[in-house]
Amino acid sequence: AQSVAQPEDQVNVAEGNPLTVKCTYSVSGNPYLFWYVQYPNRGLQFLLKYITGDNLVKGSYGFEAEFNKSQTSFHLKKPSALVSDSALYFCAVRDHSSGNTPLVFGKGTRLSVIA
Amino acid sequence: DAGVIQSPRHEVTEMGQEVTLRCKPISGHNSLFWYRQTMMRGLELLIYFNNNVPIDDSGMPEDRFSAKMPNASFSTLKIQPSEPRDSAVYFCASSLVAYTDTQYFGPGTRLTVL
Repeated sequence: AQSVAQPEDQVNVAEGNPLTVKCTYSVSGNPYLFWYVQYPNRGLQFLLKYITGDNLVKGSYGFEAEFNKSQTSFHLKKPSALVSDSALYFCAVRDHSSGNTPLVFGKGTRLSVIA
Repeated sequence: DAGVIQSPRHEVTEMGQEVTLRCKPISGHNSLFWYRQTMMRGLELLIYFNNNVPIDDSGMPEDRFSAKMPNASFSTLKIQPSEPRDSAVYFCASSLVAYTDTQYFGPGTRLTVL
């Protein structure tokens, strides 16, 4: 079975400060990992993904995420937050060896960047 | 590319009425997904198709829900009869490959059942 957890419902950060949105996962084999962002009244937008290779993945809008196999984590980070980064963020995972199963999404973390 | 297209964007209907939501995936994508998003339950996968064939509909809440994909460029999600608890935002997403590739989401249909 595969699962993903986003332990924080809400993250508040001041504009200009670094931000981290946490994600941990559970899979039997090796994971495919994704981050998506949802702005108000919009669909989810792809930010970045880890399939294989370099543990540090860079994505859209200055976001990056680090795959940590020992801690089964894939935290989303940005060095300097913008007010416009305020949105709902979803982590998703799929187990390489899980056959014909699609992505499993976390419950989402609401990021609020305060000016 | 226009991205995933969903219609209508908003739907308000009365309990007991039939509701049909429509989706046009990105051209060339082989997989299509229907999701439902509510405050209480978050994002739920309802059903997904690969090459127009339904693969897993275990997320469909009840027999009142049905989905079809008659061709590679069109899918429908139907609720008959609708109930107030079906009120949610319904998203369609498509991907090039079902199990490994990035899913691209449509803007969603906000359904309100009175």
